Amino acid sequence: DAGVIQSPRHEVTEMGQEVTLRCKPISGHNSLFWYRQTMMRGLELLIYFNNNVPIDDSGMPEDRFSAKMPNASFSTLKIQPSEPRDSAVYFCASGLSGRWEETQYFGPGTRLLVL
Amino acid sequence: AQKITQTQPGMFVQEKEAVTLDCTYDTSDPSYGLFWYKQPSSGEMIFLIYQGSYDQQNATEGRYSLNFQKARKSANLVISASQLGDSAMYFCAIKSLGNNNDMRFGAGTRLTVKP
Repeated sequence: DAGVIQSPRHEVTEMGQEVTLRCKPISGHNSLFWYRQTMMRGLELLIYFNNNVPIDDSGMPEDRFSAKMPNASFSTLKIQPSEPRDSAVYFCASGLSGRWEETQYFGPGTRLLVL
Repeated sequence: AQKITQTQPGMFVQEKEAVTLDCTYDTSDPSYGLFWYKQPSSGEMIFLIYQGSYDQQNATEGRYSLNFQKARKSANLVISASQLGDSAMYFCAIKSLGNNNDMRFGAGTRLTVKP
């Protein structure tokens, strides 16, 4: 079975540009999570969806960040406009909601560098 | 609110020896799961082992085992017979239904296995 798929794997952009990160969760999973990882702040949960509905977006840094999940097999995280402090590794993870014993499976991450 | 504390920023172990990575947690939920992930230098997050709050026995997965002490709210990871490939960051995480099913991570411990 394919794991969580993220694209692009690496992104270099200039400050002010729009960045879109993409994620395809594992088939059959109904929860999807977006995380950001930096040296300073560690692994932070940005937002998560259950059955395509955003449940908690309290981790989204500011209005420049937005996330969508139009269907069960696709999600995007958009940063507009991007800033150098957004440079980080962004992970998407998927799992089964309603079952606390189920783990989350992470994608390979997108390494974002904003110049 | 849930919280995970990993007090060891870095650990060293000699190859073939065992090592224990500490994890303490705080939650008000009676039902929760504790997870350990490994993040090698390549960056991916790899699920290692899971322990349920109602499990009577400590979880084991190959060379990984959990020293689960519920009264002390600790879930330490034990790696036996360390290998050079075990050098990585290790994250402890907690999840419960009462917290909307999301997962909270600790700051991580960097393990270095010396030849």
